[in-house]
Amino acid sequence: SYELTQPPSVSVSPGQTARITCFGDALANQYVSWFQQKSGQAPVLLIYEDKERSSGIPERFSGSTSGTTVTLTISGVQAEDEADYYCQSADSTGAFVFGSGTKVIVL
Amino acid sequence: QVRLEQSGPELKKPGASLRVSCKASGYTFSAYGINWIRQAPGQGLEWLGWGSGYNGSTYYAQNFQDRVTMTSDKFTNTAYMELRSLTSDDTAVYYCARDRRDYADYWGQGTLVTVSS
Repeated sequence: SYELTQPPSVSVSPGQTARITCFGDALANQYVSWFQQKSGQAPVLLIYEDKERSSGIPERFSGSTSGTTVTLTISGVQAEDEADYYCQSADSTGAFVFGSGTKVIVL
Repeated sequence: QVRLEQSGPELKKPGASLRVSCKASGYTFSAYGINWIRQAPGQGLEWLGWGSGYNGSTYYAQNFQDRVTMTSDKFTNTAYMELRSLTSDDTAVYYCARDRRDYADYWGQGTLVTVSS
């Protein structure tokens, strides 16, 4: 089955930049979206179609793509950005696939 | 504003069936499908499938296609997900989320389902 690979965790100091990668064989041909999930809450859409920011999402969140790897960048990390982040795409049949998630730890 | 309101927590016995509802407001229900996604305790997100808000079409994840049914009522703007033959592995928070073809934009608050004897 199709898989999206994310690092388990990323640690970053406040004000610094966090980069979360998501790798998948078909990502060069499929859009990726990114979700933020804080403890005990539903996921929130941050980025869709690789780099489009969802309504109301701060500009410090941005998405980029390079071949089979997409990256979520959080510039000027704030304490409130500590959360789990998931990438999501679709396989060849259109079924949604989620990455395993990355915990962002703000030091 | 777009809102998806899900039904309350459920406690089920192994072998039983589950039905979760998802009432939509703030948009034209029939213009969008609904995805169903679940999250087991301490685990990641798992997609169960998609149901049309317009004509009853569905598309299920291969792992669930023999025991899940997704329906919708465009008169009450409500989507439903039924999961049968529950086991303890089905203990999870179940989410509905509005479909935008390549992604899901608005999510419900989640429904905690516990399967235990």
